[in-house]
Amino acid sequence: QKEVEQDPGPLSVPEGAIVSLNCTYSNSAFQYFMWYRQYSRKGPELLMYTYSSGNKEDGRFTAQVDKSSKYISLFIRDSQPSDSATYLCAMRQAAGNKLTFGGGTRVLVKP
Amino acid sequence: SAVISQKPSRDICQRGTSLTIQCQVDSQVTMMFWYRQQPGQSLTLIATANQGSEATYESGFVIDKFPISRPNLTFSTLTVSNMSPEDSSIYLCSVVPSGMNEQYFGPGTRLTVT
Repeated sequence: QKEVEQDPGPLSVPEGAIVSLNCTYSNSAFQYFMWYRQYSRKGPELLMYTYSSGNKEDGRFTAQVDKSSKYISLFIRDSQPSDSATYLCAMRQAAGNKLTFGGGTRVLVKP
Repeated sequence: SAVISQKPSRDICQRGTSLTIQCQVDSQVTMMFWYRQQPGQSLTLIATANQGSEATYESGFVIDKFPISRPNLTFSTLTVSNMSPEDSSIYLCSVVPSGMNEQYFGPGTRLTVT
């Protein structure tokens, strides 16, 4: 069993809809949680960075962390075709900088 | 954040040869890392590039296959040695800028081994 599980998709939504992404994990030592966006043939781009449980909002993006359930989510409001990409969750423990990634979810926003 | 560049952006190499990938950052960074992303897969950490000392490798990766240098706080190289088709991947450099906790990635080097 992988430490971080993420549905590979593809997740197809109409433009303007809310995109809901999530990851589950098994290691309770994870304290920092990130979401990256990766366009085809590009490097991952950091979208959200959160520590421990709670919510964080940045523009159209909201990240949620529920450590008791070992579950994290990313919501994208008012989705645009330019949001079509692969979204990767990543997490790490308090000590060190090693990131453990989910497998990524491919998202397609249709005009 | 930091501006990260990698060279080459892509290459096609013959089996048995070696390729050195460069990573350059526009500012001093605390940590530098090398990741591999195999086709259709997520990212796997190869090693942490330590400034002035030997890199720290993750399980399954060895120095003879992936020698790494980091001569200063803004530059690192990863060499993929004695390549086989199984080494065909995207190789990514990442950094943690000084005074920050977030990790940022370079554009990647797409390697195809024939």
